[in-house]
Amino acid sequence: EPEVTQTPSHQVTQMGQEVILRCVPISNHLYFYWYRQILGQKVEFLVSFYNNEISEKSEIFDDQFSVERPDGSNFTLKIRSTKLEDSAMYFCASSFKLAGGTYEQYFGPGTRLTVT
Amino acid sequence: ILNVEQSPQSLHVQEGDSTNFTCSFPSSNFYALHWYRWETAKSPEALFVMTLNGDEKKKGRISATLNTKEGYSYLYIKGSQPEDSATYLCARGNEKLTFGTGTRLTIIP
Repeated sequence: EPEVTQTPSHQVTQMGQEVILRCVPISNHLYFYWYRQILGQKVEFLVSFYNNEISEKSEIFDDQFSVERPDGSNFTLKIRSTKLEDSAMYFCASSFKLAGGTYEQYFGPGTRLTVT
Repeated sequence: ILNVEQSPQSLHVQEGDSTNFTCSFPSSNFYALHWYRWETAKSPEALFVMTLNGDEKKKGRISATLNTKEGYSYLYIKGSQPEDSATYLCARGNEKLTFGTGTRLTIIP
């Protein structure tokens, strides 16, 4: 069964460093997402992406964050200058549009980002 | 209700017993309600997407109902098995999902 994959599974970085989290969505999906979960909190939406552009983003997704689909298979989340509060589990998801207009999102296993 | 809430936060159920838990959400501007099953260190697994008031969906021993007018959904597990142990997440929305905190279910053999 097709699945969303993410690399690395765990990334440790120093405050102020740039990180790139990578995702390979399911191949026939057209809609892509990033979410995150800070330890002990709810899973939060960051951004959705379709047709090579951001379709919606949350308040969390400020200028330090960017997304890209560089080669038609990978979908990346870049954090330019990491802060301690960026430490979280980051989930990638992808979806297609069901009949009726709903999106069933399939999630990857997550990348745990630890900023020290 | 302003946020998506789930209850209880955690639940221990004897193997073979049936159980259910609740997701409450704002009923205004409703589009869809999603249920996910999430085992530690694995990807959250999509269980159901429901959109219409009165929707009922079933997948094996797991089923879910939806009441969009009062803003709640129930997830039922019949005849719990150890492999049902997981965190069950509900989320409201369509492209942008708003999640609850989850119900952590532990099945006691």
